[in-house]
Amino acid sequence: DTAVSQTPKYLVTQMGNDKSIKCEQNLGHDTMYWYKQDSKKFLKIMFSYNNKELIINETVPNRFSPKSPDKAHLNLHINSLELGDSAVYFCASSQVQGGPSGNTIYFGEGSWLTVV
Amino acid sequence: KQEVTQIPAALSVPEGENLVLNCSFTDSAIYNLQWFRQDPGKGLTSLLLIQSSQREQTSGRLNASLDKSSGRSTLYIAASQPGDSATYLCAVGGAKLIFGTGTRLQVFP
Repeated sequence: DTAVSQTPKYLVTQMGNDKSIKCEQNLGHDTMYWYKQDSKKFLKIMFSYNNKELIINETVPNRFSPKSPDKAHLNLHINSLELGDSAVYFCASSQVQGGPSGNTIYFGEGSWLTVV
Repeated sequence: KQEVTQIPAALSVPEGENLVLNCSFTDSAIYNLQWFRQDPGKGLTSLLLIQSSQREQTSGRLNASLDKSSGRSTLYIAASQPGDSATYLCAVGGAKLIFGTGTRLQVFP
């Protein structure tokens, strides 16, 4: 039973298109995240939601818009895709946001986005 | 601004060796530090979580230490096996996790 699942795993699309990546966690966690791993394998946070509320919004183009219909789901919508958006996008979740009692964070298996 | 560095970037060892992976961070005001493993084409798996008040954590053949004052953590892998081959990432936690660039480990038979 997958704890954090994201779909699709692979996505190839043309520049200018709009696409979405879905994420669901069945761990009962309050906090969910989107991370981006670039071609150099560097992993960086994009967004963090706690109980459907946006907590962290890094310097990400506003073409990227997360949506959390409930605390078990955090979807990522990307408008007007560009070549530089090609990367692996990871969804993750944890019980709490972090802080002094920060908990283990669980990652999905990633969504490989290729923009051509 | 927190920066996390991992050395070496890549490591290749024969099976059975004990090895140490290093992680350093610039801001000692962290809440915790986590070590992850990433297999090719897969997500990240959490290996060990060390709270800022702790000095080390152990799980099986893995031992992670934390020295906040010097901004360092080490991951010790005992009796390495080919199945340990993966990329190992450390991440320091505050309001958000800041990841290092990883150490790519290959253990050959």
